Amino acid sequence: AQSVTQPDIHITVSEGASLELRCNYSYGATPYLFWYVQSPGQGLQLLLKYFSGDTLVQGIKGFEAEFKRSQSSFNLRKPSVHWSDAAEYFCAVGATGNTPLVFGKGTRLSVIA
Amino acid sequence: DAMVIQNPRYQVTQFGKPVTLSCSQTLNHNVMYWYQQKSSQAPKLLFHYYDKDFNNEADTPDNFQSRRPNTSFCFLDIRSPGLGDAAMYLCATRERQGQETQYFGPGTRLLVL
Repeated sequence: AQSVTQPDIHITVSEGASLELRCNYSYGATPYLFWYVQSPGQGLQLLLKYFSGDTLVQGIKGFEAEFKRSQSSFNLRKPSVHWSDAAEYFCAVGATGNTPLVFGKGTRLSVIA
Repeated sequence: DAMVIQNPRYQVTQFGKPVTLSCSQTLNHNVMYWYQQKSSQAPKLLFHYYDKDFNNEADTPDNFQSRRPNTSFCFLDIRSPGLGDAAMYLCATRERQGQETQYFGPGTRLLVL
């Protein structure tokens, strides 16, 4: 069965600092991988996705993520965090066909001045 | 812009009083999902429609029902809300044959008094 682990429940970074959010997945075949962001009281917004090809994917808002098959990881990065990036971040894994997405438990990002 | 719309954004109901949440989409996607998300938790899939085919998750309570009268609309009915049903309810869509990406609406926050 698919599973997603986000080891960090809460991360605090200073504005302008770099950010890396960790995501590890378990899946038998090549997965489809996603990062979503959720601001308080809002729905989930897709940041980026990986299906195949180049293992470094670019997303919106200056985010990128790197797929590392050997480590079963899909970590999210941003070189310089802005206060507006404070939100909850969810990693998810999917597959072809009718298989639902499996979400990690999320990482809450706080940004301090 | 094509999008997923949820109404209302906030819903207050009384314990045991039936409530209906609605979702509409202009993406013309074949698959629609309903998730329940409680505070500081990942979204939990309740059920989904693949066209008109209804797929219920095994642990979704019988108290939750859904209707999809056409491609654009999907409804979540809670027959007898309990205090434990207070949550954010998220609707999402996906193309039947695409890249497995789910697009989320802004959610409906349900409060049960």
